[in-house]
Amino acid sequence: NAGVTQTPKFRVLKTGQSMTLLCAQDMNHEYMYWYRQDPGMGLRLIHYSVGEGTTAKGEVPDGYNVSRLKKQNFLLGLESAAPSQTSVYFCASRKLLIRDRNTEAFFGQGTRLTVV
Amino acid sequence: AQSVTQPDIHITVSEGASLELRCNYSYGATPYLFWYVQSPGQGLQLLLKYFSGDTLVQGIKGFEAEFKRSQSSFNLRKPSVHWSDAAEYFCAVKTSYDKVIFGPGTSLSVIP
Repeated sequence: NAGVTQTPKFRVLKTGQSMTLLCAQDMNHEYMYWYRQDPGMGLRLIHYSVGEGTTAKGEVPDGYNVSRLKKQNFLLGLESAAPSQTSVYFCASRKLLIRDRNTEAFFGQGTRLTVV
Repeated sequence: AQSVTQPDIHITVSEGASLELRCNYSYGATPYLFWYVQSPGQGLQLLLKYFSGDTLVQGIKGFEAEFKRSQSSFNLRKPSVHWSDAAEYFCAVKTSYDKVIFGPGTSLSVIP
């Protein structure tokens, strides 16, 4: 019963390098989210997806791109990493239920990214 | 714009004492509200949620929260804190477009 799995758990990048963070969920959830967590800022929504093939911008989308080609996967890409993107990244997923719009989000364990 | 504020950055309480963590939200429609807890190095776990009905909701680990529409608040409470409750607590609101917006968090320390 894996839930939400993030890969990798840690990564160090040089400024200008690119990378992709993978989020996989095995709960058949429709909604998926990418957040970044910074001290004193809480979790800020980067991008989210309400279904396969759809994505939308969150609060802090600049510098990131996402794709949801398969329902179970939500990829977060950094095309040209900057030190300001040093953060802990969390992926989350939620189930869409017609009768209960208040479903909880399930979170991955986080990816700690450092850009030097 | 939707937003969530948690006025207390850090709170320290003695074990066995009562606890109240404050949360205020800004959202025009009926909010869906959540409290999550994050233990060090871990992801977030749902404590409780509110959508409608009784404004006092019960959650896991002995936590409860009260929704007050007139004050735009959703404060989290626990009658007697345990050392294992030391963690970061996040209030969140789900918007009409299914975005879930989080507050900045309150860090809780528990003194034995």
